[in-house]
Amino acid sequence: TQLLEQSPQFLSIQEGENLTVYCNSSSVFSSLQWYRQEPGEGPVLLVTVVTGGEVKKLKRLTFQFGDARKDSSLHITAAQPGDTGLYLCAGERNTGNQFYFGTGTSLTVIP
Amino acid sequence: ETGVTQTPRHLVMGMTNKKSLKCEQHLGHNAMYWYKQSAKKPLELMFVYSLEERVENNSVPSRFSPECPNSSHLFLHLHTLQPEDSALYLCASSQDGSRGTGELFFGEGSRLTVL
Repeated sequence: TQLLEQSPQFLSIQEGENLTVYCNSSSVFSSLQWYRQEPGEGPVLLVTVVTGGEVKKLKRLTFQFGDARKDSSLHITAAQPGDTGLYLCAGERNTGNQFYFGTGTSLTVIP
Repeated sequence: ETGVTQTPRHLVMGMTNKKSLKCEQHLGHNAMYWYKQSAKKPLELMFVYSLEERVENNSVPSRFSPECPNSSHLFLHLHTLQPEDSALYLCASSQDGSRGTGELFFGEGSRLTVL
């Protein structure tokens, strides 16, 4: 069974549009991270959220951690072609060193 | 060099070959990881080393053998692999413990093809 489910799996949008990616689980996490991975590269950390209900903004990206610390969302405003990539969420369990990755969302922003 | 460095970036090997993947981190972290990334599948955790001791082995086949000689270096020795082992192998590091932020820093990966 997959611990973290992401939706949608694939997303293709026009430049300037808004989008939201979801990361859902039935398990509680001590923290949750979002990563972006470009082809042929390793994932790069975008943000870490720790507190239930926490909202973090990174330029046009808004990240939210669910109140129960079981889910998260990533919202991108006015998407740009440079936002294209694979977005991964990863949850850390309390036991430490246990990072569980989501299924990934492949985003393509068309100029 | 900064961050996490993996070599080689690309590797093609036959099923009877023996090869090794190397990872080096320059971040002063005390935990290192090997992940496997296959097409259309989530990242799979293979091995975790914390303070140079292996703390996690997610039932990985014995044809994969990790080695962590110190906190900055991690190897993955490969022997008698199968074509289905072809994947991107990612190394990562983090700072474990109370001072840690629970964040993984990845290398660029080693693309392995088994013929």
